[in-house]
Amino acid sequence: GENVEQHPSTLSVQEGDSAVIKCTYSDSASNYFPWYKQELGKRPQLIIDIRSNVGEKKDQRIAVTLNKTAKHFSLHITETQPEDSAVYFCAARGSGNTPLVFGKGTRLSVIA
Amino acid sequence: GAGVSQSPRYKVAKRGQDVALRCDPISGHVSLFWYQQALGQGPEFLTYFQNEAQLDKSGLPSDRFFAERPEGSVSTLKIQRTQQEDSAVYLCASSLAGGDEQYFGPGTRLTVT
Repeated sequence: GENVEQHPSTLSVQEGDSAVIKCTYSDSASNYFPWYKQELGKRPQLIIDIRSNVGEKKDQRIAVTLNKTAKHFSLHITETQPEDSAVYFCAARGSGNTPLVFGKGTRLSVIA
Repeated sequence: GAGVSQSPRYKVAKRGQDVALRCDPISGHVSLFWYQQALGQGPEFLTYFQNEAQLDKSGLPSDRFFAERPEGSVSTLKIQRTQQEDSAVYLCASSLAGGDEQYFGPGTRLTVT
């Protein structure tokens, strides 16, 4: 089955700097890659996703890139703000009725 | 519009008790998923419904875990004879169709003492 590795497990950046979180997946049939943000004690929130037919997607300060050949995808947050501090999870999903498989998460701290 | 809701938000059970956790998906969402999230970990898949049909229950950790969605809307996850290792947050998610764009509920934090 699918296996998703995520790193780093923790990341501290200064406010205004960029943050990059990387994930690799094992199943070449996976074709959907969402990113979730989870604040302490709250639900995971879908912040951006990408499908395998595109290589990059942007939404304001966040972007995701996908390299299908290397089987890795990354989340980029620019101009970080203290409210970006949270745990971020990547996930991968194949076609059909396959479930989302999540990475172990990255705790991002943005220092003011 | 209303998001996914779950109840109760917190549940404390003595070892051996049965518990029932409820999920109300977003109205019109065909697909419903249950996940288990241990402290400091990512959500792990338990089971998946499309309407009232349970299409995948491969993630349920034992036969003590049972889920249903009899009318294709509200779902209940039942855990029988709870054990300490069942302590976790149980998350429900729904999507319009299939498994893309899943929206999560706030979760039920289960503590088994």
